[in-house]
Amino acid sequence: DVKVTQSSRYLVKRTGEKVFLECVQDMDHENMFWYRQDPGLGLRLIYFSYDVKMKEKGDIPEGYSVSREKKERFSLILESASTNQTSMYLCASHGGGTDTQYFGPGTRLTVL
Amino acid sequence: QKEVEQNSGPLSVPEGAIASLNCTYSDRGSQSFFWYRQYSGKSPELIMFIYSNGDKEDGRFTAQLNKASQYVSLLIRDSQPSDSATYLCAVNVGGGGNKLTFGTGTQLKVEL
Repeated sequence: DVKVTQSSRYLVKRTGEKVFLECVQDMDHENMFWYRQDPGLGLRLIYFSYDVKMKEKGDIPEGYSVSREKKERFSLILESASTNQTSMYLCASHGGGTDTQYFGPGTRLTVL
Repeated sequence: QKEVEQNSGPLSVPEGAIASLNCTYSDRGSQSFFWYRQYSGKSPELIMFIYSNGDKEDGRFTAQLNKASQYVSLLIRDSQPSDSATYLCAVNVGGGGNKLTFGTGTQLKVEL
């Protein structure tokens, strides 16, 4: 079974803090994704990566950056957290001949 | 703008009935289609995917695809209370990295 893990289930940060969200997958997948999910807006793609050190912007990259130094790990960085970044953040991975993306458990981030 | 649209619901069906969930998409170049189930507070999990026009059955679930009408549906037979969840439709429009565009989801309630 594909396993995607995220560093925290719940996180509370203050406005202006730098926030790191970590995602690790154990299936040697090439592609990894970061989404945020908000009520009424659904899942929106922030960034994705199709290889180590490669990244592409998704639909809502503003205020975020990413890092992929190793194939199994994809990090989402909020350089200066703001209250409008309070959301559920979901990581997903895809590759190895699988048909679709597999999601981690999610991190519910609250920015105060 | 590549869009995937779903009725937000809630869709209420009695236990044992057939639940019909619908999704339309705007990009005619879309290549593959996915249905995810998401329980409250949990991450999405894949139920089915479909690539070709017609029906695809898996247990109590049937996915239907009509590319000419840009329409994909999910039928759940013999609905159970445990099927109560939000169902997300996702579309892969091709290109690199297996990017998916998600609908906002339909909330299904199966009532005793």
